[in-house]
This record gives sequence, structure tokens and C-alpha cells, in this order.
Amino acid sequence: NAGVTQTPKFQVLKTGQSMTLQCAQDMNHEYMSWYRQDPGMGLRLIHYSVGAGITDQGEVPNGYNVSRSTTEDFPLRLLSAAPSQTSVYFCASSGRDREAFFGQGTRLTVV
Amino acid sequence: GNSVTQMEGPVTLSEEAFLTINCTYTATGYPSLFWYVQYPGEGLQLLLKATKADDKGSNKGFEATYRKETTSFHLEKGSVQVSDSAVYFCAPMNSGGSNYKLTFGKGTLLTVNP
Repeated sequence: NAGVTQTPKFQVLKTGQSMTLQCAQDMNHEYMSWYRQDPGMGLRLIHYSVGAGITDQGEVPNGYNVSRSTTEDFPLRLLSAAPSQTSVYFCASSGRDREAFFGQGTRLTVV
Repeated sequence: GNSVTQMEGPVTLSEEAFLTINCTYTATGYPSLFWYVQYPGEGLQLLLKATKADDKGSNKGFEATYRKETTSFHLEKGSVQVSDSAVYFCAPMNSGGSNYKLTFGKGTLLTVNP
């Protein structure tokens, strides 16, 4: 019963590097989303998707790209990492009962 | 869009004390309301929810009632335990359609001492 799986758990990047944070869910949920969590800021929505082939921007989308080629996967791409992107990233998925299931998070440090 | 005002933390209580964490929201329409909990080093998990006015969500001794007239969803527990130490988030969710967008409060850190 995997739920939402995020990889990697930890990552250190140099400024300007790119990388992809992976997110997969096995619950056949249509809705998936990415959040970043920073001290004192709560969780802020980066991008979301209401189904395969459909994505949209959230509150803080700059510097991030997403795609949704399958129902299961929703990767988040950092195009050119900046120290301001140091954060903990969470992927979540929701189904028709509206409960959101979260991954364990990816702690990203950009130096 | 939706917004949430949540009681500022941190909150420090002794075991068996009464807990209230206030939450008020602004939203269009009639959102579903959620409380999520985050234990140290983990992701968020659903604590309880309410989907319409006057509904009471409950789980693990925690309760919250959907108050449409005051746009509030305060979290309460009669007797906290050390194991309740965590960060608590209030979050309304868009109503209708398939856009299950959650808007989170800033979170309230609860520490329960033995």
C-alpha cells in the first residue's frame, strides 16, 4: 500500500543546476499537486494537475516546471536552482473523497 | 482565492491539558474543511474533516465543527498526550469540480510536556 512516493528524500544542488523531483501515486487519483514548505510560511502551492495532460500554476510557480503524462506520475523540475529554492517539497494526490495524501517530502538544499 | 488565519504558535501544554487551536477562513462558495497533522520528519496526514455547515469532524480525540456563520473550524482536544506533539494545519478545499486545491494556514506547533 504505497500511497504517494517521492524521490529523492534529500538532495543538495549547486546554484544553476537542474533536477527533477519524482512523485508517483498508486491510488488512481486525478488530482496531484506540489507544495513547498518553508519555516513560518506554511505550505504554498507550486503547481497542480486535475488529470493527465492538464497542469496549472499555483501560488509560487516561478522557477519550476511540471508535466503530467500519466495519471500516476507528476514530476517537478527545477530549471536552474537558486538558493531561494532551498525548501522541503511535498507532493500530494486527492481523489473524489477529497482527502489529500502526502508523500514523505524531499529536503532540498541549494548552495 | 481562499485564505486561512490560524492561531500563531508555538503552543506548549502539559499532558492532559485542554487544547484549542483557532482557525478562520475566507472562501468562495462552501468549501470542505480539513485539519492536517505533521509529525516530526514526516509528511502531512489527514486528522479530520467536515464537508458542510454544522458537521463535526473527529478523530483520535480531536474535534472540529464547521461554523459557516463565523467561517471558523477550531480544533479541540479535551486531554492532550505527549504523542500529540506535532504541527497542525487548517485547510479549506475548493468546492465543486475536480480541482481539489487546498489552502493551508501557516501551521501551529504544539508541544506537550509530560
